[in-house]
Amino acid sequence: QTVVTQEPSLTVSPGGTVTLTCASSTGAVTTGFHPNWFQQKPGQAPRSLIHDTNNRHSWTPARFSGFLLGGKAALTLSGVQPEDEAEYYCLLLCGPIWVFGGGTKLTVL
Amino acid sequence: QVQLQQWGAGLLKPSETLSLTCGVYGGSLSGYYWSWVRQAPGKGLEWIGDITHGGYANYIPSLKSRVTITVDTSKDQFSLNLNSVTAADTAIYYCARNWDLWGQGALVTVSS
Repeated sequence: QTVVTQEPSLTVSPGGTVTLTCASSTGAVTTGFHPNWFQQKPGQAPRSLIHDTNNRHSWTPARFSGFLLGGKAALTLSGVQPEDEAEYYCLLLCGPIWVFGGGTKLTVL
Repeated sequence: QVQLQQWGAGLLKPSETLSLTCGVYGGSLSGYYWSWVRQAPGKGLEWIGDITHGGYANYIPSLKSRVTITVDTSKDQFSLNLNSVTAADTAIYYCARNWDLWGQGALVTVSS
């Protein structure tokens, strides 16, 4: 089964910029994997931020951007806010099944 | 405003069957795919499977022999059954629509 890999943890300063990545064990991630990105805070259900590589929902702040970078899916946070501290998960469609990455714990410090 | 509401037994003994239902309120099952995801304590998210309005289901291979997802269009509900549970199935179980709408989550504990 496909393994989806994310950075386990990242730290960013308030107002800074950080990029999270999402890699597939089968090779380069393309738009055909329909990358999704989720934010999860303790005790809460995940919340979708980005769908289909780079599409924000109506509730997604403009500082969140999704794209493909060097064969991976990527999520950039620009102008990071303290409330962005959370766990971030990517999700890829690998054939008929969906596979989550292991998550990136983002610390805003 | 569409909401997903989950319910089901929260405490099971090993070998019993986990049954959860997700109701769609303020909307319809039509035109979407409906998923189940779980999260073991302190762990990441795991996709279990999904189903279309028409009843076509996909499952994660590791659970395929034990899991069934069904849809009841007359009640705008979809359900998850996972048989022969063990302690490893202890998790918060979430239902979701097309990934943009999630249920509140239901903690299921398997313990003798």
